[in-house]
Amino acid sequence: NAGVTQTPKFQVLKTGQSMTLQCAQDMNHEYMSWYRQDPGMGLRLIHYSVGAGITDQGEVPNGYNVSRSTTEDFPLRLLSAAPSQTSVYFCASSYDRGRGAEQYFGPGTRLTVT
Amino acid sequence: GDSVTQMEGPVTLSEEAFLTINCTYTATGYPSLFWYVQYPGEGLQLLLKATKADDKGSNKGFEATYRKETTSFHLEKGSVQVSDSAVYFCALAPGTASKLTFGTGTRLQVTL
Repeated sequence: NAGVTQTPKFQVLKTGQSMTLQCAQDMNHEYMSWYRQDPGMGLRLIHYSVGAGITDQGEVPNGYNVSRSTTEDFPLRLLSAAPSQTSVYFCASSYDRGRGAEQYFGPGTRLTVT
Repeated sequence: GDSVTQMEGPVTLSEEAFLTINCTYTATGYPSLFWYVQYPGEGLQLLLKATKADDKGSNKGFEATYRKETTSFHLEKGSVQVSDSAVYFCALAPGTASKLTFGTGTRLQVTL
């Protein structure tokens, strides 16, 4: 199993550009989520999905869109990038079968918006 | 809302020293508690977890006990190694949900 994969590893955008961060998992996990990691702030939840066709907002959803058309993929879209979106983005998945479900994280995408 | 507070880093220790990283939480109900570790240049991986009061999670020599009375989940290891150098995150998930709330992370540096 490849686990959770993310592409690209690094990206530089100009303010106002759009892009999609890709996330895929091959573990047949129902639950997937996106986090951003900023210095001194830990990881904060952006959006999550409990299954194909179902998404919901997390703590910091503004400026980001998601969709979940398949169990495997959960892309994160930045429609108009802003410098405040400079961060490291992590995708995670879990089987979500009750208390204490382990989340599996991808290697991250480092995004810089100039 | 839910929150996790963990000690500021960085923590610098000599190899074989005793490690404690404090973590306290605020949550409604009975959350599950986790410690995740992030090695340089990698994503996070689960280190240990506990799902109810007085449970002790353990892995790779690390331990943490779910203390409901003090709302704490402190991470301990009796003898750290250079390979333990990483950032450690305390986190909680409410009830049966998978949404994680993280602390700010504590960087551990272990020297020879």
